[in-house]
Amino acid sequence: GENVEQHPSTLSVQEGDSAVIKCTYSDSASNYFPWYKQELGKRPQLIIDIRSNVGEKKDQRIAVTLNKTAKHFSLHITETQPEDSAVYFCAATPGNNDMRFGAGTRLTVKP
Amino acid sequence: DTAVSQTPKYLVTQMGNDKSIKCEQNLGHDTMYWYKQDSKKFLKIMFSYNNKELIINETVPNRFSPKSPDKAHLNLHINSLELGDSAVYFCASSQIGNTIYFGEGSWLTVV
Repeated sequence: GENVEQHPSTLSVQEGDSAVIKCTYSDSASNYFPWYKQELGKRPQLIIDIRSNVGEKKDQRIAVTLNKTAKHFSLHITETQPEDSAVYFCAATPGNNDMRFGAGTRLTVKP
Repeated sequence: DTAVSQTPKYLVTQMGNDKSIKCEQNLGHDTMYWYKQDSKKFLKIMFSYNNKELIINETVPNRFSPKSPDKAHLNLHINSLELGDSAVYFCASSQIGNTIYFGEGSWLTVV
C-alpha cells in the first residue's frame, strides 16, 4: 500500500523566513497530492494541492512542487507569519477512495 | 450550513462500553471516510465508503463497525471500548479522486 513519509517532524522559523516541508510517496499510482493545515483543536483544512500532470503550483505565499519520477513533493511557505504556525500534513491518493497522510510537521513561526 | 457534520463532539466513557458517532455530509459527495488521529497527531485512515459500499477497511479491529445507510451518512459504532481507542475521530467526504473535507472531529476519551 501507499506509504507517505514527511520531514521534518518539527520546524521552527523566524517570522519572514521561508519554510519547506518535504514528502515522499511509494505508490506510483498516486496522482493527487493535497496539503492540509491543522490548527490546534481544529479539523485539517486544505491549503493547496497538485496533480501528477503538473510540476508546480503557487497560491500567494504558498507553493507546492512535485517530482513524479522521484516520487517526492514539497510545500514552500514564503514570508512566514505567526498565524502560519500549525501542523501541516501532506497526503497522496493511491486510489479514488483512498487518501494517505504523512505524519505531520509542526511549524512554529517566531515573531 | 456545515458541510460535514459529526456528533457528538466530545465523548467520555468507561472501558467496555459501546458508543456510536454519527456523520452526515451535504456536499453531494460519493465517498465518505473515517480517520483516527491519535495523540501524536497521526491521521490514519480506518474506512472508506463509496456510495454506501465499503471500499477500504484498514486493519481495524472488529469492534469498530461502520454503517452507511445512504451516501450522505456514515456512522461508526465501537463495541467494548478500550483505553487505546481514545483519540479524535474525523469523518470526511470527497468526490472521487478529489479533495477530502473533514468534519470537526469527535474527541473520544475512554477511562
